[in-house]
Amino acid sequence: GAGVSQSPSNKVTEKGKDVELRCDPISGHTALYWYRQRLGQGLEFLIYFQGNSAPDKSGLPSDRFSAERTGESVSTLTIQRTQQEDSAVYLCASSLEVGVSGYGYTFGSGTRLTVV
Amino acid sequence: AQSVTQLGSHVSVSEGALVLLRCNYSSSVPPYLFWYVQYPNQGLQLLLKYTSAATLVKGINGFEAEFKKSETSFHLTKPSAHMSDAAEYFCAAREDPYSGAGSYQLTFGKGTKLSVIP
Repeated sequence: GAGVSQSPSNKVTEKGKDVELRCDPISGHTALYWYRQRLGQGLEFLIYFQGNSAPDKSGLPSDRFSAERTGESVSTLTIQRTQQEDSAVYLCASSLEVGVSGYGYTFGSGTRLTVV
Repeated sequence: AQSVTQLGSHVSVSEGALVLLRCNYSSSVPPYLFWYVQYPNQGLQLLLKYTSAATLVKGINGFEAEFKKSETSFHLTKPSAHMSDAAEYFCAAREDPYSGAGSYQLTFGKGTKLSVIP
């Protein structure tokens, strides 16, 4: 697609439920990132996928968080047993990762998750 | 580990005045540097980036930034603020991908919210 697409745009869930967030990157972009943006704070790195390499999961805050990506296409971020502190905007970005022109990331509009 | 510091969580300028948003990075090897803008309820949009070429980088909407290695800075400027510039601005850094450091993670500052007063 023309841009990075994220769904849903908004999600309200009850504490303890599982949620799944989806990211559809720009076609041909090999790298995909998930970030979390809590209210009034900067962006917090969660996980990075690059082609068929093992993902960098160093930013995942707990084992309740997991993410998958099939090849160079769609990625899903799953949060199990949601807690109120998980409330945030979850942003996905993709980039080409080749050549100097490829290092600007394109972000989606995010999924605003509210845990009640 | 890379860190990015944005001085001032909130900056107010008058319409037509100079915009200066400050960003400093911590890295012994000059990183790639980025400025993003986020309008309310929207994702981040890339304004400009420094990738070890020209130290003065021009971006969209009349913004520019200058990389100063001696000051480890990458401040964002615009000569004349417009009402439409009101947004949150994020500075970000990543390791030079050709440095061999191997980290592709983009590290963000905490953001600076710019208000433009009519």
